[in-house]
Amino acid sequence: AQSVTQLDSQVPVFEEAPVELRCNYSSSVSVYLFWYVQYPNQGLQLLLKYLSGSTLVKGINGFEAEFNKSQTSFHLRKPSVHISDTAEYFCAVSDLDKAAGNKLTFGGGTRVLVKP
Amino acid sequence: SAVISQKPSRDICQRGTSLTIQCQVDSQVTMMFWYRQQPGQSLTLIATANQGSEATYESGFVIDKFPISRPNLTFSTLTVSNMSPEDSSIYLCSSWRMGGDTQYFGPGTRLTVL
Repeated sequence: AQSVTQLDSQVPVFEEAPVELRCNYSSSVSVYLFWYVQYPNQGLQLLLKYLSGSTLVKGINGFEAEFNKSQTSFHLRKPSVHISDTAEYFCAVSDLDKAAGNKLTFGGGTRVLVKP
Repeated sequence: SAVISQKPSRDICQRGTSLTIQCQVDSQVTMMFWYRQQPGQSLTLIATANQGSEATYESGFVIDKFPISRPNLTFSTLTVSNMSPEDSSIYLCSSWRMGGDTQYFGPGTRLTVL
């Protein structure tokens, strides 16, 4: 069984400041890792994903994340946030069993509030 | 990627009634998933829908309460039956294509049960 822990439920941050959202996972098998963003009253949009290879992954809107296998972490970062980054961010994992359709397990979410 | 639409986008329903949510994908996909997002919570998988077979339900979800149809490779429905206020949630569908590595999500259906 897999589990995902997002260590911060809410992160207030000032505009143009950096932000880091923490995600830790547990799994007995190798996993794929994802960050999704949910803007107010919208569905989920894929920010970035780690499948294999380079541990530093770049996504849309200036976000990046680093996979750390030894610490089982996949933290999300942005060096300078905008008001429009106000949203809920979800970390998710799936195992490599494609027969299961990459079934996702989600973390609890981190609400980012960007203040002017 | 896949573009997914859901109908209705939101609804307000009375206790004891049922609502059917439609999910349409712009291309053929292998699997479709239904999630529930309760207020202020994360997403919980309800079931996985494959064409031509019964949906596979996660622990805590049953077919009588959440019947699902998957008549073809681009469409699925989720019915929330005999609703109670505890069913007030956002319901999202997603899709996955064989050989792919990513699920793509619809915009969600915001359900309020009075």
